Amino acid sequence: EPEVTQTPSHQVTQMGQEVILRCVPISNHLYFYWYRQILGQKVEFLVSFYNNEISEKSEIFDDQFSVERPDGSNFTLKIRSTKLEDSAMYFCASSVGARAAFFGQGTRLTVV
Amino acid sequence: DAKTTQPPSMDCAEGRAANLPCNHSTISGNEYVYWYRQIHSQGPQYIIHGLKNNETNEMASLIITEDRKSSTLILPHATLRDTAVYYCIVRFGNEKLTFGTGTRLTIIP
Repeated sequence: EPEVTQTPSHQVTQMGQEVILRCVPISNHLYFYWYRQILGQKVEFLVSFYNNEISEKSEIFDDQFSVERPDGSNFTLKIRSTKLEDSAMYFCASSVGARAAFFGQGTRLTVV
Repeated sequence: DAKTTQPPSMDCAEGRAANLPCNHSTISGNEYVYWYRQIHSQGPQYIIHGLKNNETNEMASLIITEDRKSSTLILPHATLRDTAVYYCIVRFGNEKLTFGTGTRLTIIP
């Protein structure tokens, strides 16, 4: 069964460093999303991406964040200068369209 | 904010049917009801979705009331592996999923 794949599963980084979280969406999907979940809190929407551009973003998704689909398979989330409060699980999701979105298993980002 | 209301927690005996309620009284005519679950800190897992008819798949059944203001997710024979947080989400088209706090379902041996 096709699935969304995220790498790495766990990333530790120093405050102020740049990180790139990677996702391989399901191959025929056209809509891509990033969510995050701080420990013990709700799953929060960050950004949605369609047709090579951001279609919606939340207040969390400020200038420190960017997304890219560099080739036909990968979808990345970059955090330019990480802060302690960026520590969270980051989930990538994809969907065909107005159908169910499927999530990856997440990347645990720890900023020290 | 989430447009749904769910009980914060429920218990169910192993082997019995788990019935998880959800209220979505402000749902509009073209919004679907989606159910996801999250086991520990894993990625949310899609379970089922529907518009107005009842739906069934290999995981669960979804019963939507005729006025569409509430729904019930049914896990027919709960196992210990069904222990998770279950989220009921109202969604239009391919817009973002807005997660609330969900229902923490505990399956008791």
